[in-house]
Amino acid sequence: RKEVEQDPGPFNVPEGATVAFNCTYSNSASQSFFWYRQDCRKEPKLLMSVYSSGNEDGRFTAQLNRASQYISLLIRDSKLSDSATYLCVVNRADSSYKLIFGSGTRLLVRP
Amino acid sequence: DAMVIQNPRYQVTQFGKPVTLSCSQTLNHNVMYWYQQKSSQAPKLLFHYYDKDFNNEADTPDNFQSRRPNTSFCFLDIRSPGLGDAAMYLCATITGTPSSHNEQFFGPGTRLTVL
Repeated sequence: RKEVEQDPGPFNVPEGATVAFNCTYSNSASQSFFWYRQDCRKEPKLLMSVYSSGNEDGRFTAQLNRASQYISLLIRDSKLSDSATYLCVVNRADSSYKLIFGSGTRLLVRP
Repeated sequence: DAMVIQNPRYQVTQFGKPVTLSCSQTLNHNVMYWYQQKSSQAPKLLFHYYDKDFNNEADTPDNFQSRRPNTSFCFLDIRSPGLGDAAMYLCATITGTPSSHNEQFFGPGTRLTVL
């Protein structure tokens, strides 16, 4: 089983749609959770951290469910510019500053 | 302003010919990482430095070596590139203070082609 698993997609949605991605992680001792965004042939960039209580940043909402070991990302009112790959990232249990990346979920927002 | 700089952005080498990729950072961060990312795959950590302390991942091939002569610079040396080493190589930094929500800052990557 992979340490971080994501549905690779692609999710193909119209502009204005709401879309949600889930990610599961295997190590219950993980403490830090993130969503990174990666555009085609570019480097990953932090989208948002994920806190236990859930957090929101504009159109983006992240949730953490420790009991079920999954993280979610909700994007409301999708824009064309949201088209990218979204990487679920979890810290390794043996180190707070080593991260494990999921393979990413690809989102395509169409006009 | 660029914070993590990688050179070159594109590198072509021949099978078996040594190649060096470079990374520099203006953030004065303690920790620097090298990742390998192949198409449609997750970035895979090769090794990292915490200051001068080198930490190799258990599954990183011996073909990959690294040097960090000072805080700002880190190099990835591939001693004998094989076709399977063609990938994007990403350098990243993080503040070294142990914290549960450290952001990793990535450079733009070097795309390596092996002929």
